[in-house]
Formats: sequence, C-alpha cells, structure tokens
Amino acid sequence: DGGITQSPKYLFRKEGQNVTLSCEQNLNHDAMYWYRQDPGQGLRLIYYSQIVNDFQKGDIAEGYSVSREKKESFPLTVTSAQKNPTAFYLCASSSTGQGAYGYTFGSGTRLTVV
Amino acid sequence: QKEVEQNSGPLSVPEGAIASLNCTYSDRGSQSFFWYRQYSGKSPELIMFIYSNGDKEDGRFTAQLNKASQYVSLLIRDSQPSDSATYLCAVPPPKGGYNKLIFGAGTRLAVHP
Repeated sequence: DGGITQSPKYLFRKEGQNVTLSCEQNLNHDAMYWYRQDPGQGLRLIYYSQIVNDFQKGDIAEGYSVSREKKESFPLTVTSAQKNPTAFYLCASSSTGQGAYGYTFGSGTRLTVV
Repeated sequence: QKEVEQNSGPLSVPEGAIASLNCTYSDRGSQSFFWYRQYSGKSPELIMFIYSNGDKEDGRFTAQLNKASQYVSLLIRDSQPSDSATYLCAVPPPKGGYNKLIFGAGTRLAVHP
C-alpha cells in the first residue's frame, strides 16, 4: 500500500538538543511539506519542497532545517534555536503541476520538550 | 483579513441532523477547494474537493462552492457521533507555482446522541 510514514510517533527533546523527525513516502509524489500544529490551532507551514535538492521556507522556518536528497524522504531537524518546539508535526506529500492537488498526510510526530 | 476563515466552533448538532460548515476565502482567483477531517490527536484526511461552482456530493457529504461570494461549505447529512472532529478548509494560492495549500484554522463539530 502506498502511503506516507512519519517516525517516531512521540519524541522528547531536552533543552539545547537537536532532534530529527523522519518522513518517507512511496506515493511517487514530487512535493513534500512540513507543518506544525499547536493545540487548538490550524496548520502552519514550516518548509516545503517540490523537487529533489530544492526546498523553500514556509511561514515559520526559523529554528528548523530540512533536506531533500531523495524523492521519497524529507526529514525535518528541530534545532536548539527553536525556542518553543512542543507541538504536533505533520508531514504531507502531493503531486504537482497544473491545477491543485490535495495532500496526503502522515500520522504525525508529537514533540515535547522535557 | 485572513486568507481562509472558518468559525472555530464548536458546532453542536444532534445525531441525524444536517451539519453545515462554512469557509470563506479572500482571493477571487482561487480555483480548487479541499475539505479535511481531523480527529483529535490524529492527522488530517482528505474527504472532499471541489473546483466548480455548485454542489458536489459524495455519500453523506456535500460540498457547495460559490465563487462569486467566495465561500465554500460542507454539509454532512444524517450526522453521526463518529463525525465529531475538526474540519479544515484548504485553498491553494491562485497564482500557480508550488501547490502550497492554505489551511483555515478549522471548525470543531460535535455530534451528540
């Protein structure tokens, strides 16, 4: 079955630590996205990528970094510069081209600072 | 004005009733519209998309689009307690390029027995 897999499901970060969230898809989608969701809030775009080796900042990129070395993978690193990282992180993928395509979301990673 | 606006709710409806969820958007050039359902603690799942004026039906769900008035609605007929979730409206930027959906903050629906 095609899908998008995020891991881990839960992640705990100590102050000053970098952590990396994994996102892998086998849908052959060109575009991938990272969103952050805080309790009771909507989705805020962190980074997005349309093709391998290219990515763009979203609305709240500060304190985060990404890479896109393979079409299937788009890992997100939450750096120590992100002062309030506790949130639900969602990875998504979609086709690209003319028109608009809905996203397929992964199951999410819940990050907590301890 | 936000690009995509939704009433946060909660919208409370009795089981068996019609739930009506609304979304307004700011850019007249928007062409396609998506509705996602998100259960508490879970990720969003796509339930409907619409790109033409009028209605689109899929089972108990009907999406209604009115481009002149810049709103899109989701109707849920015969609401069930299992429909209790947050419903997110999403709109792509109209100028093409990246398929970067803009999400509303969502409307929380509560269906009570």
